[in-house]
Amino acid sequence: EAGVVQSPRYKIIEKKQPVAFWCNPISGHNTLYWYRQNLGQGPELLIRYENEEAVDDSQLPKDRFSAERLKGVDSTLKIQPAELGDSAVYLCASRGQGKPGANVLTFGAGSRLTVL
Amino acid sequence: DQQVKQNSPSLSVQEGRISILNCDYTNSMFDYFLWYKKYPAEGPTFLISISSIKDKNEDGRFTVFLNKSAKHLSLHIVPSQPGDSAVYFCAAKGGAGGGSNYKLTFGKGTLLTVNP
Repeated sequence: EAGVVQSPRYKIIEKKQPVAFWCNPISGHNTLYWYRQNLGQGPELLIRYENEEAVDDSQLPKDRFSAERLKGVDSTLKIQPAELGDSAVYLCASRGQGKPGANVLTFGAGSRLTVL
Repeated sequence: DQQVKQNSPSLSVQEGRISILNCDYTNSMFDYFLWYKKYPAEGPTFLISISSIKDKNEDGRFTVFLNKSAKHLSLHIVPSQPGDSAVYFCAAKGGAGGGSNYKLTFGKGTLLTVNP
């Protein structure tokens, strides 16, 4: 079974430029998460999708961040324009149904963003 | 306000000895706890979990203990191996608020180094 796939793995951009990250969750996983991990910190939730619906986006900085999951499968997270403080690892995760998977999030390898 | 706290940024142990990683939480509504392990340049991977109705869960060399009255959990690794060297994150599920049963709140992590 393929895991959660993210791309790109690394991205270096100058501030004020746009950037986008892509995530393909595990097949059949209806719930998809975007987390941000700053250096020396734990992952922090940005947005959660149930199928194509964003059900928890309270932590997403909506002035510059946007996300979509149009067909309820893969998802894109966009930042426009990027700021220096956006440098972080952006992690995508998905969650299955039923025991024991319902309580466990499976993470992708992450997309490391560096804003210069 | 950090709801999940890992107060030790790092821990160093000798191969074959026991590693004990600690985690404290403040939200009494958390009902499920997980430990994730993270190697550099990889996403967090699920290690072991425990429900709030239990006080111990064991899986091979890994045991998680939960003390609800103290709002404290710990991960024991016996015997420790060099391959266990990684960052360990404590995470909690639940809490008040809509949709809280479906998101994880993470601590900052503890870097474990197992010396040969």
